Amino acid sequence: DAGVIQSPRHEVTEMGQEVTLRCKPISGHNSLFWYRQTMMRGLELLIYFNNNVPIDDSGMPEDRFSAKMPNASFSTLKIQPSEPRDSAVYFCASSLGRSSTEAFFGQGTRLTVV
Amino acid sequence: DQQVKQNSPSLSVQEGRISILNCDYTNSMFDYFLWYKKYPAEGPTFLISISSIKDKNEDGRFTVFLNKSAKHLSLHIVPSQPGDSAVYFCAAQLAGNNRKLIWGLGTSLAVNP
Repeated sequence: DAGVIQSPRHEVTEMGQEVTLRCKPISGHNSLFWYRQTMMRGLELLIYFNNNVPIDDSGMPEDRFSAKMPNASFSTLKIQPSEPRDSAVYFCASSLGRSSTEAFFGQGTRLTVV
Repeated sequence: DQQVKQNSPSLSVQEGRISILNCDYTNSMFDYFLWYKKYPAEGPTFLISISSIKDKNEDGRFTVFLNKSAKHLSLHIVPSQPGDSAVYFCAAQLAGNNRKLIWGLGTSLAVNP
């Protein structure tokens, strides 16, 4: 298995633009997690899905952030409009079962909003 | 307020010696603890875990110790190897239906040849 695949690896965009991050989880995994990593706050869970259904989105910072999982093999995290403070590395992870323990992470998307 | 704290941002040890990475937590509702390792430009990878009902778990060169009364856990790497140089994250899972993982900020380990 290729593991969790995220795209793009790097994204530079101007403030106010829409940004869409993509994730393909490991086949057979039924939980998917979106994390954001910053120097100040470390790794923060934004949202997680189980069987394509959002279970906990309490970590989503504000309405500018939205996430979807239309099927078991694809998820998106959208920021609209983007702001400089959204600059971070965004990770997607997947796991078997509802538990986030022993999740497998993608390589991340480094987002820079200028 | 950080519920999971890794107070040492960095650690440097000699190859062959023991590396000890520490983690403190404040929430007594955590029932499962994990260590992840992260290399630059890669996502974190699972290393080792421990349930709150245990005080030690060992996997090869890696051992995690849990002291519930002190709300402290540590990761021991013996012997340390240059390939162990990475950022190590401590994470704790809440008991109950949510089971969300709360992460520390990480400790950067450098193992010098």
